[in-house]
Amino acid sequence: QKEVEQDPGPLSVPEGAIVSLNCTYSNSAFQYFMWYRQYSRKGPELLMYTYSSGNKEDGRFTAQVDKSSKYISLFIRDSQPSDSATYLCAMSGGTYKYIFGTGTRLKVLA
Amino acid sequence: SAVISQKPSRDICQRGTSLTIQCQVDSQVTMMFWYRQQPGQSLTLIATANQGSEATYESGFVIDKFPISRPNLTFSTLTVSNMSPEDSSIYLCSVAQGDNQPQHFGDGTRLSIL
Repeated sequence: QKEVEQDPGPLSVPEGAIVSLNCTYSNSAFQYFMWYRQYSRKGPELLMYTYSSGNKEDGRFTAQVDKSSKYISLFIRDSQPSDSATYLCAMSGGTYKYIFGTGTRLKVLA
Repeated sequence: SAVISQKPSRDICQRGTSLTIQCQVDSQVTMMFWYRQQPGQSLTLIATANQGSEATYESGFVIDKFPISRPNLTFSTLTVSNMSPEDSSIYLCSVAQGDNQPQHFGDGTRLSIL
């Protein structure tokens, strides 16, 4: 079993939809949880950086962490075609060693 | 956040040759890392580039294959040595200001080996 599981997609949604992206993990020592967005032929861009459980909101993006269920989510409201990308979750136990998911490809259809 | 530039952005190389990838940051950073990203797989940490000393390699990666330099707080290089088709991948540089600080990535080097 992988330490971090992420559905590879692709996930196709119409413009304006609410998107839910998810990762599950097995290591209860993880404390820091990140979401990156990666456009084709570009590097990962940090979207959200959260510590422990709870919610964090930034514009149209909301990150949720449920440590009891070992489950994290990224919600995108009012999705736009420009949100079409691969979304990577990552997590760490407080060191520089990040464990990444394999990424979910998202397509937002105009 | 820091601006991270990687060179080259892509290359096609012959089997058995070596390629050096550069990572330049526009401000001083505490930590620099090198990752590999293969299709359908998660990002894998190759090593931490330490300023003025030998890099710290992760399991499965060795200095002879992936020598790394970090002469100062804004620059690092990764060399992929004696390349084979299995080394075809995207190589990414990332930076952070500490263990509990977020990592930021460059745009990567897309490497194909013939």
